[in-house]
Amino acid sequence: AQTVTQSQPEMSVQEAETVTLSCTYDTSESDYYLFWYKQPPSRQMILVIRQEAYKQQNATENRFSVNFQKAAKSFSLKISDSQLGDAAMYFCAYRNEKLTFGTGTRLTIIP
Amino acid sequence: DTGVSQDPRHKITKRGQNVTFRCDPISEHNRLYWYRQTLGQGPEFLTYFQNEAQLEKSRLLSDRFSAERPKGSFSTLEIQRTEQGDSAMYLCASSLIGRTEAFFGQGTRLTVV
Repeated sequence: AQTVTQSQPEMSVQEAETVTLSCTYDTSESDYYLFWYKQPPSRQMILVIRQEAYKQQNATENRFSVNFQKAAKSFSLKISDSQLGDAAMYFCAYRNEKLTFGTGTRLTIIP
Repeated sequence: DTGVSQDPRHKITKRGQNVTFRCDPISEHNRLYWYRQTLGQGPEFLTYFQNEAQLEKSRLLSDRFSAERPKGSFSTLEIQRTEQGDSAMYLCASSLIGRTEAFFGQGTRLTVV
């Protein structure tokens, strides 16, 4: 069974600074997708960024980028120029047929 | 289409009662997923459908839980004889086959008293 581990229950960052959230996963498959989802206090899960395992190039979406290390089964999220609206729970997720989530990291932005 | 819709948003019920939740996916999406999320935890997979077929059920889904998607469109999740441990947020998501993104609804918060 696939497992996803987020070892940082909470992180904080000064506004406009950069923060990196960690994620590791375990799988025996070679073809899969990885995601970072954001869940603000309103509780609706929003997709932040995705990475296809067959792609070596790291995904980037505006201020969000990932560092995907397939051999190490590591998938970290970097948020640049942090903004107050980035405050949320962030979940790393692995997908083949269904999504398997980590336990999340609560990100606080310090004004 | 405004996305995945869940109803009700909140439900308070007495222990032992039955409850039913509804999820309307994005209209062209043929996959529909149910997850349960407790406070401070990540969503836990419960079950998923491809069209009207239920393809997988988690062992978390006891015999008190049942889900249907009769016409391959909306889905219902029923919990019979609710227990306090069933209190959680129940999330629904949908996606296309072969597409990777799953889109989530706002969830139904269940409180069993």
